[in-house]
Amino acid sequence: DTAVSQTPKYLVTQMGNDKSIKCEQNLGHDTMYWYKQDSKKFLKIMFSYNNKELIINETVPNRFSPKSPDKAHLNLHINSLELGDSAVYFCASSQATGGASSTDTQYFGPGTRLTVL
Amino acid sequence: ELKVEQNPLFLSMQEGKNYTIYCNYSTTSDRLYWYRQDPGKSLESLFVLLSNGAVKQEGRLMASLDTKARLSTLHITAAVHDLSATYFCAVRGSYIPTFGRGTSLIVHP
Repeated sequence: DTAVSQTPKYLVTQMGNDKSIKCEQNLGHDTMYWYKQDSKKFLKIMFSYNNKELIINETVPNRFSPKSPDKAHLNLHINSLELGDSAVYFCASSQATGGASSTDTQYFGPGTRLTVL
Repeated sequence: ELKVEQNPLFLSMQEGKNYTIYCNYSTTSDRLYWYRQDPGKSLESLFVLLSNGAVKQEGRLMASLDTKARLSTLHITAAVHDLSATYFCAVRGSYIPTFGRGTSLIVHP
């Protein structure tokens, strides 16, 4: 079973369209993340949810809206897509157990390659 | 703002050689991670370092952490072609994980 899954794997769309990427984790983790990886492989966090509540909201355009229906799912909806949104989007999850020995290691999904034409 | 710098960004080495990748970070943190990413693939966790002086080893890779110097190293021993990948360090500051820009490693036969 895939621990963190994303759909779709590839997404090709026109400028101005609205699209969604779905993410599910079956690890029982309570924290989920969205990252954007650009063409130079730079990885930047966009959002993080803990138990369905937003805890990190980095500086991203408000065209990007995350939604967490439950703690196993974190979806990313993007409105009015622009050329600069083309990138690979990774979902990740982690379990923060607290304490000095907690690792909070993130487990990443396979990525969604978004191409905006 | 937490900054994480890796060097080198590109590394081409021959099989059998040793080399070290460096990861410097700008503010105090209690977690440092190393990840591997193969071309077109996802990120895979290699090591988590939690305390000053921590050292972890897996196969030909060894990671260490010096929290006083705010420096982690990833040492590659007797490189083999299968180690060709991009290696990222990441540091947790507050709740936000910040990644370095990655080191693209190519190991030549």
